[in-house]
Amino acid sequence: DAGVTQSPTHLIKTRGQQVTLRCSPKSGHDTVSWYQQALGQGPQFIFQYYEEEERQRGNFPDRFSGHQFPNYSSELNVNALLLGDSALYLCASSPPWTGGYEQYFGPGTRLTVT
Amino acid sequence: KQEVTQIPAALSVPEGENLVLNCSFTDSAIYNLQWFRQDPGKGLTSLLLIQSSQREQTSGRLNASLDKSSGRSTLYIAASQPGDSATYLCAVDQGAQKLVFGQGTRLTINP
Repeated sequence: DAGVTQSPTHLIKTRGQQVTLRCSPKSGHDTVSWYQQALGQGPQFIFQYYEEEERQRGNFPDRFSGHQFPNYSSELNVNALLLGDSALYLCASSPPWTGGYEQYFGPGTRLTVT
Repeated sequence: KQEVTQIPAALSVPEGENLVLNCSFTDSAIYNLQWFRQDPGKGLTSLLLIQSSQREQTSGRLNASLDKSSGRSTLYIAASQPGDSATYLCAVDQGAQKLVFGQGTRLTINP
């Protein structure tokens, strides 16, 4: 089992550009959540996808959008990048209800905006 | 609004010591609480998950307790080793798997 995978590992973009990050959930998982972790901080919830729909959203602007595909993989898109968007972006997946809802995180994508 | 606080922010202890990391949360209406480990620049590794109906969970040298009524959880690490050095994060799930994280405790175990 490959676990949660994310691509790319690192990314450098210029202010104003757009970026797409990708996530493949752990086998058997159907829910994908995205988090932003600034340096020295705890992760902040961006949004969550289930059955190809955005189910929940945190306090992030509309510049952050996403998508989930039929195979449960997901993308995070950020438009009009700001310097403050520089962070580690983490994807987490969780299984259908098994009594636990334990979340499994990927290695993250480090985004640097210059 | 749920707020999660972890104390201390950083901790440095000699190898072999037993230690306790603290996590507090403001809203006791949680579904579960999860402890994670994060190595520098890396993703999160799940250590322990405690359901709201449980009082504690154990895995090897790790023991986590949960007191929902007082809004507190502790992570106990026995016989610490240099390989335990990392940042430890606690997170609460208030339902629908949306986690609210603390800022973490950066732990250093000195050989």
